[in-house]
Amino acid sequence: DGGITQSPKYLFRKEGQNVTLSCEQNLNHDAMYWYRQDPGQGLRLIYYSQIVNDFQKGDIAEGYSVSREKKESFPLTVTSAQKNPTAFYLCASSTIPGQGTKNIQYFGAGTRLSVL
Amino acid sequence: GENVEQHPSTLSVQEGDSAVIKCTYSDSASNYFPWYKQELGKRPQLIIDIRSNVGEKKDQRIAVTLNKTAKHFSLHITETQPEDSAVYFCAASKRGPGGSARQLTFGSGTQLTVLP
Repeated sequence: DGGITQSPKYLFRKEGQNVTLSCEQNLNHDAMYWYRQDPGQGLRLIYYSQIVNDFQKGDIAEGYSVSREKKESFPLTVTSAQKNPTAFYLCASSTIPGQGTKNIQYFGAGTRLSVL
Repeated sequence: GENVEQHPSTLSVQEGDSAVIKCTYSDSASNYFPWYKQELGKRPQLIIDIRSNVGEKKDQRIAVTLNKTAKHFSLHITETQPEDSAVYFCAASKRGPGGSARQLTFGSGTQLTVLP
């Protein structure tokens, strides 16, 4: 089911704490993405990466950080600077232009983050 | 940047009736328009997509239409069934800077309920 694994499924953050969400894919996709989903607001892009050791900010990158040390992995850290982190976080991956015409994004099952 | 608006936010239909969800986009450079279905607690899954060089595409009970001039596209579901109940998201996509990975901008979602 999907080839994209997110963990944990549920995560709780204390005030002032950084937490890291894991995303691993075995689809051999070059591009990976992180989205935040809030009720009634759809999905908003946090960060994306199209190659190892390179990533770009999306629309709502403040308070988040990422790394891309391996093609298969794209972890997201929610830092203490993110004042409203409670949301459903979705990771996705795709091929990149030149590897197919559509570059369909496939999603993981998500991590639900709550603040204690 | 791109802005995608989606209407209605909720839609209830009787089983067997048709459902139509509409989206508008702002960036004329967007050239790929996928639709995702998200069942409760599950990951978004692509159900149909359309490229900007095509005006209509159909897949069994699902169809998508695109009007590039007016910058709007619509999802049509015929002969609705209870299992069609879910949140549906439209999205608009273009290549990122320098031809990099595609960025998706999502609409806010439509909760479709099919009443038996």
